[in-house]
Amino acid sequence: DVQMTQSPSSLSASVGDRVTITCRASQSISNYLNWYQQRPGKAPKLLIYAASNLQSGVPSRFSGSGSGTQFTLTISSLQPEDFATYYCQQSHSLPPTFGHGTKVEI
Amino acid sequence: QVQLQESGPGLIKPSETLSLTCAVSGDSISSRYWSWIRQPPGKGLEWIGYGHYSGDTNYNPSLKSRVTISVDTSKSQLSLKMSSVTAADTAVYYCARIDYYGSGTEFFDPWGPGTRVTVSS
Repeated sequence: DVQMTQSPSSLSASVGDRVTITCRASQSISNYLNWYQQRPGKAPKLLIYAASNLQSGVPSRFSGSGSGTQFTLTISSLQPEDFATYYCQQSHSLPPTFGHGTKVEI
Repeated sequence: QVQLQESGPGLIKPSETLSLTCAVSGDSISSRYWSWIRQPPGKGLEWIGYGHYSGDTNYNPSLKSRVTISVDTSKSQLSLKMSSVTAADTAVYYCARIDYYGSGTEFFDPWGPGTRVTVSS
């Protein structure tokens, strides 16, 4: 299985901060990388697909970049509703695998 | 707008077979692939497998011997059966549609709200 490693596992930030989350794959996955946001008690929600494509309806303060084994999710100006856990997921090889998550806290 | 809604027993005893369903509305269940994903309490996400109305399925090797996924087009439902459950199968179970982009990138969107399953005697 492709192992996905996220860092940091958690971070503290303030409204208006720029936040960057990193996801590393154990082997090259080209751009087959997706990002999800999960608020407490809710289902995950797709933010970014194919490493850098913003899902319809997702605010433009979210962006993704990277290819191969290293990827980043950036929130340009953190808003109160962005405090959540973020997961990366690879779709290059079966089984699809997720990172362990990054919790963004106040 | 696509909507998914999982349903299940809530509480199940060890060694029993877990049965879950996912009702799909707003999209043709026969036009897509559909997945089950689970999340143990306080932990991350684990892909269980996918199913298609044609009978095409694929399972996580870690669960393959215990899992069956099927699609019922007459009810517009996705089903999951997991045999010989243990406490380690306690989790929130989600169904999700598999969508595609361009070169073949696959992603899960949307997800149902999830159904909580507890395995306990």
